[in-house]
Amino acid sequence: AQSVTQPDIHITVSEGASLELRCNYSYGATPYLFWYVQSPGQGLQLLLKYFSGDTLVQGIKGFEAEFKRSQSSFNLRKPSVHWSDAAEYFCAVGNTNAGKSTFGDGTTLTVKP
Amino acid sequence: DAEITQSPRHKITETGRQVTLACHQTWNHNNMFWYRQDLGHGLRLIHYSYGVQDTNKGEVSDGYSVSRSNTEDLPLTLESAASSQTSVYFCASSQTGSEAFFGQGTRLTVV
Repeated sequence: AQSVTQPDIHITVSEGASLELRCNYSYGATPYLFWYVQSPGQGLQLLLKYFSGDTLVQGIKGFEAEFKRSQSSFNLRKPSVHWSDAAEYFCAVGNTNAGKSTFGDGTTLTVKP
Repeated sequence: DAEITQSPRHKITETGRQVTLACHQTWNHNNMFWYRQDLGHGLRLIHYSYGVQDTNKGEVSDGYSVSRSNTEDLPLTLESAASSQTSVYFCASSQTGSEAFFGQGTRLTVV
């Protein structure tokens, strides 16, 4: 069975600091991996995705993620966090039908001024 | 612009009543999905459909049903609402091999 673990429930960083959100997955085949962001009261917006190819993936809003097969990880990074990045972040793993994904429990990001 | 819309955005209902949540997409996507989101649980898959007349059970399907009579719509029905079904419900659609697009969510309270 596929699963996703986001070890950090809540992370607080200062504005301008770097950010890394961790994601570990379990999947029987080559995974399709996603990071979504959710602002309060809103739906989920795709930040970036990995299907194949280059293991370093660039996304929107200055985010990037690196797929490491040996570590079963797909960590999300941003070099300099902005106050508007405060939100909940979800990692997901799926198959070719991308909506049928398994989601992690999410990491809530707080940004200090 | 293409979009995916859910209605209503908020709903309060009584235990035992039948409730239907609507999901309509104009992306012309084959795949549609319903998730529920509860605090501390992320999103859990309820039902999904890969095309007209196709429906499948997800991880937490008990007490829910869906039907797919056209490409655009996948209504979710709670046959007899229970307090445990108080949650935020998200609909999503995707085309095979691509990412999912999510609706804004429906907050359902069962009293």
